[in-house]
Amino acid sequence: QKEVEQNSGPLSVPEGAIASLNCTYSDRGSQSFFWYRQYSGKSPELIMFIYSNGDKEDGRFTAQLNKASQYVSLLIRDSQPSDSATYLCAVNLYSGGGADGLTFGKGTHLIIQP
Amino acid sequence: KAGVTQTPRYLIKTRGQQVTLSCSPISGHRSVSWYQQTPGQGLQFLFEYFSETQRNKGNFPGRFSGRQFSNSRSEMNVSTLELGDSALYLCASSLFPDKETQYFGPGTRLLVL
Repeated sequence: QKEVEQNSGPLSVPEGAIASLNCTYSDRGSQSFFWYRQYSGKSPELIMFIYSNGDKEDGRFTAQLNKASQYVSLLIRDSQPSDSATYLCAVNLYSGGGADGLTFGKGTHLIIQP
Repeated sequence: KAGVTQTPRYLIKTRGQQVTLSCSPISGHRSVSWYQQTPGQGLQFLFEYFSETQRNKGNFPGRFSGRQFSNSRSEMNVSTLELGDSALYLCASSLFPDKETQYFGPGTRLLVL
């Protein structure tokens, strides 16, 4: 049984600070990792994906992957009130596509305080 | 380009009934995945279709089924509804079965009484 664990929060961060969201996964064979943002009452929206160990940056977002420790994190720099949402971590056994569906964590509720 | 559309958006059913939900993917997308989202279990993968073939299936009972048509539109069916089936059902489409380009629809909120 694959598991993806996230702290449910809420995680409260002051505006302009760095928000750090963490996720651990149980299946050591997992190959691809995704971060989704979900606003209340809306559907998930893909923010970033990462395959290789290390950091991947996209604007204010940085995804970090450590396969040896089986964790993936998302950093949001210069946090804005519009970043307030639930962030879902998802893991896939295969890179990109492949005969597997995504396993999601239950999400971390992030609140950016003005 | 229009996004993923799902119909109906809201649905109320009673236990024992069956329900069919529909998903129209983004034009040109051939892969459709279905997910169930509940407050307790979070977002869970149901199944994925590509070129009218089910590629893989999540850990759900056989009451949950789906299909995909030649125009890539997909339907999912839940038979003999249970109270626990109350959830938001999300459909996501992508060009191919690659999760990097997966876009979610607005969902169908199902309430089973």
